[in-house]
Amino acid sequence: LAKTTQPISMDSYEGQEVNITCSHNNIATNDYITWYQQFPSQGPRFIIQGYKTKVTNEVASLFIPADRKSSTLSLPRVSLSDTAVYYCLVGDQAGGFKTIFGAGTRLFVKA
Amino acid sequence: GAVVSQHPSRVICKSGTSVKIECRSLDFQATTMFWYRQFPKQSLMLMATSNEGSKATYEQGVEKDKFLINHASLTLSTLTVTSAHPEDSSFYICSARAWTGQNTEAFFGQGTRLTVV
Repeated sequence: LAKTTQPISMDSYEGQEVNITCSHNNIATNDYITWYQQFPSQGPRFIIQGYKTKVTNEVASLFIPADRKSSTLSLPRVSLSDTAVYYCLVGDQAGGFKTIFGAGTRLFVKA
Repeated sequence: GAVVSQHPSRVICKSGTSVKIECRSLDFQATTMFWYRQFPKQSLMLMATSNEGSKATYEQGVEKDKFLINHASLTLSTLTVTSAHPEDSSFYICSARAWTGQNTEAFFGQGTRLTVV
């Protein structure tokens, strides 16, 4: 499984756009990139998943360069409720594959 | 989306007793479920992979006799912490993967906070 590297923590202010970059130099051809959000004392929640280029949904965008060795999660106009830990995971789509978590990025949004 | 439910959400037990945590996939079948443990301000650590109808696969360093896993049906996996000690106090989370129509996602339970006193 490809190892991921993210910043340990980030601070932001309400209304700003936040970009969290994840490095995954050893990503394999079959691997997808998935981001999860976790609030204290809750299970992680799926945010977005992508394979290449750009993916956008109602909560975030995911930018993946052509070499796929990194990815950037973009959260538009964050609010206080976006304060959480964000995890970048890399793995294949097979139903049995293990979801291995890295250290994650602790985002703190200030008023 | 798919729902994974854990029970109980919180449990306090005495040292030396055993505690069972249930993980259910409510609207889909899961032949494989995963159990994680998370200590304060740390990431999730995969403990084991629960396989329906067969033995669980444990990660290195996880005692299989300490953390008993049973996956008797396609919608239920249980984790039993046997002879619990204070150092077993942690946040336990289960997950199962489901096809959403666009991709395969891992859905997580809400977690179980275990406190051993």
